[in-house]
Amino acid sequence: DADVTQTPRNRITKTGKRIMLECSQTKGHDRMYWYRQDPGLGLRLIYYSFDVKDINKGEISDGYSVSRQAQAKFSLSLESAIPNQTALYFCATSPGTSGSVRNEQFFGPGTRLTVL
Amino acid sequence: AQSVTQLDSHVSVSEGTPVLLRCNYSSSYSPSLFWYVQHPNKGLQLLLKYTSAATLVKGINGFEAEFKKSETSFHLTKPSAHMSDAAEYFCVVRNYNNNDMRFGAGTRLTVKP
Repeated sequence: DADVTQTPRNRITKTGKRIMLECSQTKGHDRMYWYRQDPGLGLRLIYYSFDVKDINKGEISDGYSVSRQAQAKFSLSLESAIPNQTALYFCATSPGTSGSVRNEQFFGPGTRLTVL
Repeated sequence: AQSVTQLDSHVSVSEGTPVLLRCNYSSSYSPSLFWYVQHPNKGLQLLLKYTSAATLVKGINGFEAEFKKSETSFHLTKPSAHMSDAAEYFCVVRNYNNNDMRFGAGTRLTVKP
């Protein structure tokens, strides 16, 4: 779904390097999310944002930070990458309107990050 | 806190036979439940969702799921598997009073010719 784009799609980096993953959306949604996917663990929430001024930690925020530059942009940073942060990272969006708990999230194509 | 358990990490069926992917949930409140599918090297696509309306939910590609509160289950079914159904499937629960979505570990569906 081209409405949610992620860059880069693949990245290989070394331990200790700073990495930024970017997410952009054209769906006009207020809420944005970052997840990581590891085999056998499903997706786990890293951070989420309900609007530009609202950032919240998710289940596994340690070692990560985020920035919501605009309604349409939400970036994830690894300040000092480590090998166990090797994973598939997904950005997602959802509407922030009434009944929002019933709204599904729309996912980007993912970024495969390898930390050597 | 809410959680989901997908009872099978891998399910293998023959083309044309029924599919059953099992999901049990735990939630303190009235949940919203979702099934997503992930094809190889692709993002996640919503198959269907339950949001306290009809307990039998129909989704895309012939899939459906039934919400059973007494059994805390939300199993995904399809009458006849197609080769293109081979993918990983995730059951997801969201509590009514927060925005936290919890994913199951996933079930990989293999479809044999």
